[in-house]
Amino acid sequence: DAGVIQSPRHEVTEMGQEVTLRCKPISGHDYLFWYRQTMMRGLELLIYFNNNVPIDDSGMPEDRFSAKMPNASFSTLKIQPSEPRDSAVYFCASSSKLGQGPTLAEVLPEQFFGPGTRLTVL
Amino acid sequence: KNEVEQSPQNLTAQEGEFITINCSYSVGISALHWLQQHPGGGIVSLFMLSSGKKKHGRLIATINIQEKHSSLHITASHPRDSAVYICAVKLGNEKLTFGTGTRLTIIP
Repeated sequence: DAGVIQSPRHEVTEMGQEVTLRCKPISGHDYLFWYRQTMMRGLELLIYFNNNVPIDDSGMPEDRFSAKMPNASFSTLKIQPSEPRDSAVYFCASSSKLGQGPTLAEVLPEQFFGPGTRLTVL
Repeated sequence: KNEVEQSPQNLTAQEGEFITINCSYSVGISALHWLQQHPGGGIVSLFMLSSGKKKHGRLIATINIQEKHSSLHITASHPRDSAVYICAVKLGNEKLTFGTGTRLTIIP
């Protein structure tokens, strides 16, 4: 299996532009997670899906951010309009099972992370 | 104040040394996780702990629930252990919260 695939790997854009990040989870995985990582805040969970349905989007920073999962093999994270403070590395991860329990915490050990998309908003 | 704090922020050691990385958190948790982020950016889950100790190869993770503290130990460290180590906790009913990481460099 190719693992979790993210595109693009690098994106440089100007403030105000729309940015779309893409993720292909590992085939057969029914959980998909979007994370953001910055020097100041570290890793943050933005949103996660189960069977293409958003389960928890409480980490999405504001309305400029939106995520969709139209099918089991594809998800997008969109920022519109983008701002310099959105500059970060965005990771997608997928998982096939809950681990030891039903809560998100127990899901984490089974997650496989993509290589990330480094976004720079000028 | 970050609810999850890691120390040290940066650690450089000689190959073969015993390494300890610490993670402290502010409120009760249901589970704590250790992640490894390689220099190229790839992230790997290492451990999930809710109590006691876990061991995998040269890696050992311990947690003290009463003291709200966890440690990640690496025995016989090797340059390939050079990475950023991140702890993550689920604080009460809040979403998963990550520490800012410890950057480990092992010198041959």
